[in-house]
Amino acid sequence: IQLTQSPSSLSASVGDRVTITCRASQVISSYLAWYQQKPGQAPKLLIYAASTFQSGVPSRFSGSGSGTNFTLTISSLQPEDFATYYCQQLNTYPPITFGQGTRLEIK
Amino acid sequence: EVQVVESGGVVVQPGGSLRLSCAASGFTFDEYSMHWVRQPPGKGLEWVSLISWHGEETSYSDSVKGRFTISRDNDKNSLFLQMNGLRIEDTALYYCAKSTGNLEPFDFWGQGTLVTVST
Repeated sequence: IQLTQSPSSLSASVGDRVTITCRASQVISSYLAWYQQKPGQAPKLLIYAASTFQSGVPSRFSGSGSGTNFTLTISSLQPEDFATYYCQQLNTYPPITFGQGTRLEIK
Repeated sequence: EVQVVESGGVVVQPGGSLRLSCAASGFTFDEYSMHWVRQPPGKGLEWVSLISWHGEETSYSDSVKGRFTISRDNDKNSLFLQMNGLRIEDTALYYCAKSTGNLEPFDFWGQGTLVTVST
């Protein structure tokens, strides 16, 4: 299963609403997770089962979708949100696949 | 506090072998599936391998199948990755990560260990 994220990179300002899309090459129900990775750090789980928050994740993050189309939305960007975001499918293996990443930069 | 600490990454020549380790603490290790995920410098994430909590099920990406072997020692709270026949394209930061099941999200990751395959 291939995952395609769009856009690959995005420039935005603090306070902006941002949406990142992840499209799967076949139906994966809601078996999708989102991760945040900051430079020099390990990835951090944000959302799983397409829309369920991991403990401690701010409520400005939200996920939606099922089937083949998914979105991660940040309702009001904060300075600490500038990072690279990856989607991951957990429907079948091998392999467990990740999207290519979306780099969110400060405008 | 949950911790996973990878070690064993070094510079190795093509065709060489290496064994990575991941030491876990702060959680009941034998209740979790474990994974290796790699990230080439400046690039994205690639899942490498998984092992079930009891060690009886393993799985690999096509890019490493037949060359890498994942294993675990639940008595020592440790995860391993034996890497043989290393190629230049195996150069990456290797992370270990845990999940509550084979197809569950990776809820905690280590900081990684760098493997460089170079002449």
